[in-house]
Amino acid sequence: SAVISQKPSRDICQRGTSLTIQCQVDSQVTMMFWYRQQPGQSLTLIATANQGSEATYESGFVIDKFPISRPNLTFSTLTVSNMSPEDSSIYLCSDKITGIGELFFGEGSRLTVL
Amino acid sequence: GENVGLHLPTLSVQEGDNSIINCAYSNSASDYFIWYKQESGKGPQFIIDIRSNMDKRQGQRVTVLLNKTVKHLSLQIAATQPGDSAVYFCAENHFSGGYNKLIFGAGTRLAVHP
Repeated sequence: SAVISQKPSRDICQRGTSLTIQCQVDSQVTMMFWYRQQPGQSLTLIATANQGSEATYESGFVIDKFPISRPNLTFSTLTVSNMSPEDSSIYLCSDKITGIGELFFGEGSRLTVL
Repeated sequence: GENVGLHLPTLSVQEGDNSIINCAYSNSASDYFIWYKQESGKGPQFIIDIRSNMDKRQGQRVTVLLNKTVKHLSLQIAATQPGDSAVYFCAENHFSGGYNKLIFGAGTRLAVHP
């Protein structure tokens, strides 16, 4: 399995600001994904981070709000833009070695927006 | 903790009893399923998986059952221990838009009492 490190692990942010979360994997992986977990809820897929091209977003998520980069096979970033209290969530980076298989998760980045 | 599982259904069991956690999935074309365990403050951890060409798979103290007729998945934990207390999520693999994506179910909180 690939070990995933996320930064920051937690942050408190002001309304209207933006925050970029970094995800580093310790080995090359084929696919990386970003999930959101709102308080007390399950995980919702935000987007698939594609290496060298634009991310593929799920319904309800748009690039202007959640721009994603993946410059290489081991690194991705998710920005939460123009934050509001409704964006307070855990944001989780995950990766996969093969097409069909388990996802490995980082510990998540816990954002609180005031 | 971060209120993981605060709003989720709860299964309460006595230490030493067997636990059964159920999940209904949505897509009859899903071909791969995973159970994850999420402890407070951590990312989801893989427990066990099963492909759609199987109806049962066993691991150490855990068994996953798949009933494709009614789109139902269950996780059985034998001799439940306090360390099993966590939120459990099922996830199904969707192939959509050229990608394999894991879509998570609602989750169940397991509370183990001494």
